[in-house]
Amino acid sequence: NAGVTQTPKFQVLKTGQSMTLQCAQDMNHNSMYWYRQDPGMGLRLIYYSASEGTTDKGEVPNGYNVSRLNKREFSLRLESAAPSQTSVYFCASRFGGTNTEAFFGQGTRLTVV
Amino acid sequence: QKEVEQNSGPLSVPEGAIASLNCTYSDRGSQSFFWYRQYSGKSPELIMFIYSNGDKEDGRFTAQLNKASQYVSLLIRDSQPSDSATYLCAGPPVLGYNKLIFGAGTRLAVHP
Repeated sequence: NAGVTQTPKFQVLKTGQSMTLQCAQDMNHNSMYWYRQDPGMGLRLIYYSASEGTTDKGEVPNGYNVSRLNKREFSLRLESAAPSQTSVYFCASRFGGTNTEAFFGQGTRLTVV
Repeated sequence: QKEVEQNSGPLSVPEGAIASLNCTYSDRGSQSFFWYRQYSGKSPELIMFIYSNGDKEDGRFTAQLNKASQYVSLLIRDSQPSDSATYLCAGPPVLGYNKLIFGAGTRLAVHP
């Protein structure tokens, strides 16, 4: 039972490079999320997708784009990476609504030099 | 103002004591809250969920929700060194209820 799978686990980028973080869930969840985590900042919501075909901005969307490819997959793209985007990125999913638990992937540690 | 606020700590308690973690929220209409635990280098995992006023107990953990005062707390009884982790409070705002907004997290250290 895989749950939420993120790739890659680690990545080093040079400033200005682009990359896409992949996330897939096998729990038939409707909602998917991308967070970043910096020391002392908790989890900050970048973008989320309440259901297949919809995406919405979270707390810190600047510099990112997302695609909800299908019900299973939700990708996060950095078009022109900046050192300020050095962080740990988590993908999460849940059925949706107010009372359902979110399940997290194992995280991607991204360093932009 | 962030929608969910937590004191980032660290909170240090001796083994066997009660650890009290607190969270306040700004959206008066918020209905439900989650407490996640995150060990260093790992992903968050759910430990408690509460949606009604009052207390909810699960083993050594008790979640408390006070909607009038807009705070939610987590009590850990008989704290163990294995409880040392960061505890994150999260809730969906009323508008945009499919969002899930986290606080900054409180780092708990339980010392023998």
